[in-house]
Amino acid sequence: DGGITQSPKYLFRKEGQNVTLSCEQNLNHDAMYWYRQDPGQGLRLIYYSQIVNDFQKGDIAEGYSVSREKKESFPLTVTSAQKNPTAFYLCASSIAQAEDTQYFGPGTRLTVL
Amino acid sequence: AQSVTQPDIHITVSEGASLELRCNYSYGATPYLFWYVQSPGQGLQLLLKYFSGDTLVQGIKGFEAEFKRSQSSFNLRKPSVHWSDAAEYFCAGGYQKVTFGIGTKLQVIP
Repeated sequence: DGGITQSPKYLFRKEGQNVTLSCEQNLNHDAMYWYRQDPGQGLRLIYYSQIVNDFQKGDIAEGYSVSREKKESFPLTVTSAQKNPTAFYLCASSIAQAEDTQYFGPGTRLTVL
Repeated sequence: AQSVTQPDIHITVSEGASLELRCNYSYGATPYLFWYVQSPGQGLQLLLKYFSGDTLVQGIKGFEAEFKRSQSSFNLRKPSVHWSDAAEYFCAGGYQKVTFGIGTKLQVIP
C-alpha cells in the first residue's frame, strides 16, 4: 500500500529539548510539506521541499528545521527556539508541485510538558 | 494577500438534509482550488479539486463543488448528509503555493 507514515502518533517533550518528527512516503513523490495545525487556525506551512537536498521556508519556519537527504523522507525537528510547540503536525507529499493533490499522513500530536 | 476564506467555523445539519459549505478566494487569476476533509485526529483527504473546465466538479463521497468566478467562490455541496460526514472541511487554493482556510467543522444530528 502506498502512502505516508508519520511517527510517533503522540509525542511528549520537556521544555528546552529538541525533538524530531518522522515522515516517510512511498508514493515516489518529489514534493513534501510540513504543516502545523492549531484549533481555529487551519493549516500553516512550516517547510516544504520540491527536490532532494533542497527545501524552503514556509510561513512559520522559525524554531523548526528540516532535512531532505532522501526522496522518501522529510523529518522535522522542533527546536527549543520554538516558543509554542504544542500542536498537531501534518506531513504531506505531492507529485511535483504545490498545485498537485497533496496526500497527508495521519499526523503527530506534540505536547510540551 | 492571496488567500481562501471559510466564513463558517461551525455548521450543524440534520441527517438527510442538504449541505453547503462556503469558500471564497482572493487571487488575481483563477487558482487551483481544493476541498479536503479531516476526521478527528487524522490527516486530510482530498474530496475534489478544480483548475479549469467544467465549473461543477464531482468528488468522492457524493460531494460536489461549483466554481463561480463572478462571486470568487468555490462552495462545497452534498444533497443528503450522512452521520459519517461529520468532520472538519478545509478549502485550499493557490498556484505555486497552496494556502488552506481555517476549516469548517460539520456536526450532523440525527
